[in-house]
Amino acid sequence: DAKTTQPPSMDCAEGRAANLPCNHSTISGNEYVYWYRQIHSQGPQYIIHGLKNNETNEMASLIITEDRKSSTLILPHATLRDTAVYYCIVVNYGGSQGNLIFGKGTKLSVKP
Amino acid sequence: KAGVTQTPRYLIKTRGQQVTLSCSPISGHRSVSWYQQTPGQGLQFLFEYFSETQRNKGNFPGRFSGRQFSNSRSEMNVSTLELGDSALYLCASSSIQGRAGTVRFFGPGTRLTVL
Repeated sequence: DAKTTQPPSMDCAEGRAANLPCNHSTISGNEYVYWYRQIHSQGPQYIIHGLKNNETNEMASLIITEDRKSSTLILPHATLRDTAVYYCIVVNYGGSQGNLIFGKGTKLSVKP
Repeated sequence: KAGVTQTPRYLIKTRGQQVTLSCSPISGHRSVSWYQQTPGQGLQFLFEYFSETQRNKGNFPGRFSGRQFSNSRSEMNVSTLELGDSALYLCASSSIQGRAGTVRFFGPGTRLTVL
């Protein structure tokens, strides 16, 4: 089973920041938090990942709480093309390395 | 760099047939994993290969098999197809195996329809 909990759906206005929450209260110290998104019928696209510190790249920012039990993916200026299902995944360092356990994700709808 | 490529992109088969799907990882990547995505079950892990050896396997019947070649390209095979095997089959590659901080990049998938 997925080790994360995400809201099933969210709406965001175009041009506004989209903040997608993820709960991973059972995360252990050596587990990473990954975010992927999947636009309808395409392969999942890697967005960002982090261990403890906040991370930022050209696509998004990842904010991880100090206790690491939750995180937020931030798309700073959402566009219509950001409409997708967003998956938050916890990956175990010493576990099954090939096995990304996907939950149901959050369906983000960006509206004009 | 070119991304992960999968062939064919679409495939239609009938029950009882077998099918082979192909995945070419990103150049330099040696780990390839396969996933099945259906509306009912979501994305589920099938297996992972690294250096031509299966390193990890999901909970799928033996009809699902795979292999990896010396150039890291991978194939998966499904024998005796069932209607429930209709799905999007995704391949992901990463540079090394065994590190949680290593990003896996997905291909566009092969859409298999079993009639």
